[in-house]
Amino acid sequence: DAGITQSPRYKITETGRQVTLMCHQTWSHSYMFWYRQDLGHGLRLIYYSAAADITDKGEVPDGYVVSRSKTENFPLTLESATRSQTSVYFCASTLTGNNQPQHFGDGTRLSIL
Amino acid sequence: GQQVMQIPQYQHVQEGEDFTTYCNSSTTLSNIQWYKQRPGGHPVFLIQLVKSGEVKKQKRLTFQFGEAKKNSSLHITATQTTDVGTYFCAGGFNKFYFGSGTKLNVKP
Repeated sequence: DAGITQSPRYKITETGRQVTLMCHQTWSHSYMFWYRQDLGHGLRLIYYSAAADITDKGEVPDGYVVSRSKTENFPLTLESATRSQTSVYFCASTLTGNNQPQHFGDGTRLSIL
Repeated sequence: GQQVMQIPQYQHVQEGEDFTTYCNSSTTLSNIQWYKQRPGGHPVFLIQLVKSGEVKKQKRLTFQFGEAKKNSSLHITATQTTDVGTYFCAGGFNKFYFGSGTKLNVKP
């Protein structure tokens, strides 16, 4: 899905540091999502956004901050990274919400030492 | 909160054998979606079921949505090595929840 890109693809950082994961989509989709994927847990929703300037918490929002000033961008920030936040992070988007297929980016593999 | 449970966690089959993964929710779902994730890849949408009792087929894949809209299954007939990956169901009403996935390994 070339229309949704995540950066960086890989990131190593230290505990306590702030790190921002970027997500950009070119489809003008209204909804965007951030998930983390850990072994045995599948995909867990961190935050989602229904439109620009509208965000809401998912299952595991603690320790994360999001913003959506523009429809096409949905950055995820770890304000003070912890080892438990080591994971693969996926961004996804849909046109109008949960009744539409979600299109995923390639993911960011984040390691916190 | 609402959870979508998926079993089994792993399945190892010989090529040509059938495979089934099951998805269950404690509450009624508005719809259910199925995704496939290849090793090292990202989830890719396969199909969406909306109606009670709905059955859809995609070649060797058969998807079912339960009458009560609380469970679903994905059945693969005569698996091939290209079927290797993790299969996820996802469902909800206001918010969407992914199951923990079933990792399928196919031995040639």
